[in-house]
Amino acid sequence: DIQMTQSPSSLSASVGDRVTITCRASQGISNSLAWYQQKPGKAPKLLLYAASRLESGVPSRFSGSGSGTDYTLTISSLQPEDFATYYCQQYYSTPGTFGQGTKLEIK
Amino acid sequence: QVQLVQSGAEVKKPGASVKVSCKVSGYTLTELSMHWVRQAPGKGLEWMGGFDPEDGETIYAQKFQGRVTMTEDTSTDTAYMELSSLRSEDTAVYYCATVEVAGMGYYFDYWGQGTLVTVSS
Repeated sequence: DIQMTQSPSSLSASVGDRVTITCRASQGISNSLAWYQQKPGKAPKLLLYAASRLESGVPSRFSGSGSGTDYTLTISSLQPEDFATYYCQQYYSTPGTFGQGTKLEIK
Repeated sequence: QVQLVQSGAEVKKPGASVKVSCKVSGYTLTELSMHWVRQAPGKGLEWMGGFDPEDGETIYAQKFQGRVTMTEDTSTDTAYMELSSLRSEDTAVYYCATVEVAGMGYYFDYWGQGTLVTVSS
């Protein structure tokens, strides 16, 4: 199985900050990467797929980039509703595997 | 818009089985590919299995092979996930989720609200 490693595991930031979360795959995944946001007690929500494609309805302050084994999720200007846990998921091969999550907290 | 509504929380004893349902609305189940993902308390997301539209078969994560069965009732647009021989480590929130097929794999676009299964003696 492909292993996905996110960093950092947790992050403190303020409203208006620009933040970046990194996801590294144990082998190349050819941009087959999705990002999800999960708030406490709620199901995950799809934010991006194909590494950089924004899901319909997701604010444009979210963006994704990367290639090969290394990918990033960037939030350009944090809003109060963005404080949540973020997960990456590779779907290059089955089983699709998730990163361990990055908890984004208010500073 | 796809909506997925799951059955309520369950408490089971070790060794028992649990069956979680996921009712689809907005689309018919035959138009979707349904999968299941679980999340232990305070932990990350773990794919369990689901319908592979490329092969027309249900596939399961190796970890759950022999213990999990995923079925669908197209007359009621309801998907089911049954997990047997429960142990304490199976305590988790179980999510149904539809997938978008992309290349060799899939990502999850619509999610149910989750069903907490607690395994305790």
